[in-house]
Amino acid sequence: AQTVTQSQPEMSVQEAETVTLSCTYDTSESDYYLFWYKQPPSRQMILVIRQEAYKQQNATENRFSVNFQKAAKSFSLKISDSQLGDAAMYFCAYRSAYGGTSYGKLTFGQGTILTVHP
Amino acid sequence: DTAVSQTPKYLVTQMGNDKSIKCEQNLGHDTMYWYKQDSKKFLKIMFSYNNKELIINETVPNRFSPKSPDKAHLNLHINSLELGDSAVYFCASSLKRGSTDTQYFGPGTRLTVL
Repeated sequence: AQTVTQSQPEMSVQEAETVTLSCTYDTSESDYYLFWYKQPPSRQMILVIRQEAYKQQNATENRFSVNFQKAAKSFSLKISDSQLGDAAMYFCAYRSAYGGTSYGKLTFGQGTILTVHP
Repeated sequence: DTAVSQTPKYLVTQMGNDKSIKCEQNLGHDTMYWYKQDSKKFLKIMFSYNNKELIINETVPNRFSPKSPDKAHLNLHINSLELGDSAVYFCASSLKRGSTDTQYFGPGTRLTVL
């Protein structure tokens, strides 16, 4: 079974600065997808960014980028030019690319609470 | 336009009661999911349905029964509610099962069992 670990329960950043959230995962599979979801106080789960494991290029979405290290099974999220609206809980998630009864299932990490200071 | 909606958003009930949470998606997706977020914010999948067929059933007590009347709806019925069932329940959908498509989440239903 796959596991996802976020070792930083809380992080903080000053507005306009850059912060990196860590995520590691454990899997024996070679093909999979990785995601970062944001959950603000409204509790809505919002997709921030996703990465296909077969792609070597790191995904980028505006101020959000990832550092995907497949050999190290690491998938960190970098938020540049942090804004007050980035304050939320961030979840890293894994999804297998293979078939089977767990196909489509997202396995989440424990989450990291990000605080943005003005 | 609401993509994935859940009703109710809040549900407070007594132990032993039976309750249902409804989920509807207007995205034309084939696959729907139920996730549970516990008091420590940990998210875990409970069920998934693909075109009304149960695909994933993750060691959930059989007091929980999902029902999919059509592929746009996936309801969650809970019998004999227990204190430990208090959580936020999220419905989600994706275009195809296990595809690269994103899972879109509903707003969540906070269930409190007294």
